[in-house]
Formats: sequence, C-alpha cells, structure tokens
Amino acid sequence: ETGVTQTPRHLVMGMTNKKSLKCEQHLGHNAMYWYKQSAKKPLELMFVYNFKEQTENNSVPSRFSPECPNSSHLFLHLHTLQPEDSALYLCASTSSGASSYNEQFFGPGTRLTVL
Amino acid sequence: GNSVTQMEGPVTLSEEAFLTINCTYTATGYPSLFWYVQYPGEGLQLLLKATKADDKGSNKGFEATYRKETTSFHLEKGSVQVSDSAVYFCALGRYNFNKFYFGSGTKLNVKP
Repeated sequence: ETGVTQTPRHLVMGMTNKKSLKCEQHLGHNAMYWYKQSAKKPLELMFVYNFKEQTENNSVPSRFSPECPNSSHLFLHLHTLQPEDSALYLCASTSSGASSYNEQFFGPGTRLTVL
Repeated sequence: GNSVTQMEGPVTLSEEAFLTINCTYTATGYPSLFWYVQYPGEGLQLLLKATKADDKGSNKGFEATYRKETTSFHLEKGSVQVSDSAVYFCALGRYNFNKFYFGSGTKLNVKP
C-alpha cells in the first residue's frame, strides 16, 4: 500500500451504533488530520495530530472521538451520531516542522450515512 | 488571519475552451499555496503548488502563479478536456505550522 488509505470506504450506521473509521499513511509523515466534507459546504477541519499529540480540536461534538496511537495511524470513533453527520470523512497527512513547505496528502475518504 | 476565497461555481465550459478559476488569499507570514482537484467519489489530489512569491506551479497543462502584490493564485488552463471535470480547491499552508486553509471549491463541468 502506498499513500494514505482509509477504511471502510462506505459505512451505513444507525444512530445508536458505534463504529470506527481508520486511516493509515505510508509516507513517513508526522502530522495527520480529519476533515468532514458535506454537500454544498466547505471542507471542515475536525482534528489535527502532530507526533501523536492532538494539537487542534475544531469544536467537534464529543460523539466524534479521535485516536492516534502512532504517527502512521489515525482513528475516528463514532457513537450516537445524528443524520446531519452523514458526510464524506477525509483523512490527510503531511510532514510538518521547520523548513517544511510540504502539501497534504489525502486518502480517498469514507462515505458515512447515518440513518 | 488566514483565509482563502475562490470563485463560486459551477463553471461550465466547452471542450478546448480556456479556463480561469480565481483564488485570492489573506495570510500572515509566508504561506505556501496549492491547488487540489477532487474527482467524483475520491479524495483531494494535489494538482500544483507554489512556495514563494512569483513561483509558478504547473501540472497537466494547468498553471498558477503566486502573486504576492495581488494576493492571488489563479488557476489557468489553455484548453480544457471533458476529463478535467471535477471540483477544484485553492488552499494555503502556513510555513512551519500544521495549518491549511481551503477555499470552498469550484465545480468545473466541461461539455464535449
């Protein structure tokens, strides 16, 4: 596998379910991100992790719980979601730090539908 | 603060037409600028980038020049193809920080 992978690619869940999204990057990056992309709305940054430490939580509801066990893996744990949480969830990674002009690399996303 | 503004779409063109998608930014410090493209059902892919003023990024016939005096990074292509139909995002990245700022995206439809 190369680049940034996300699983599953599609997920349908009820409002009482608990599920997790997984992201893995094979690029040796140290920063990882979760974004939410809803129809007709701008890309929304949710969380940022740098060297496994959370450096940004963009006022995300507690029903979304991120986890970053190491610099290559990022999870988004979901519980008691609402229908308005249906969206494409994108993971991204980059190399951050001094002398870094690097771009973000994105995964293909997980299309989440909450019934 | 930091922000990116890009023209609203959709933009509809005929094949072989000239494309311009406008992007302007506000930033503190010395940002890098990017254009990403998103095809249906996929994530964002980097199209091109520029890391300092007057740099020109180019890829697959697309070009954009980092204009500090006008705080702009407009995307251009001389002759679009049907396969260029996608959503294009302008983005700003802060040097030495983990922050990226995206425009709202511009959908491009190219008709045969």
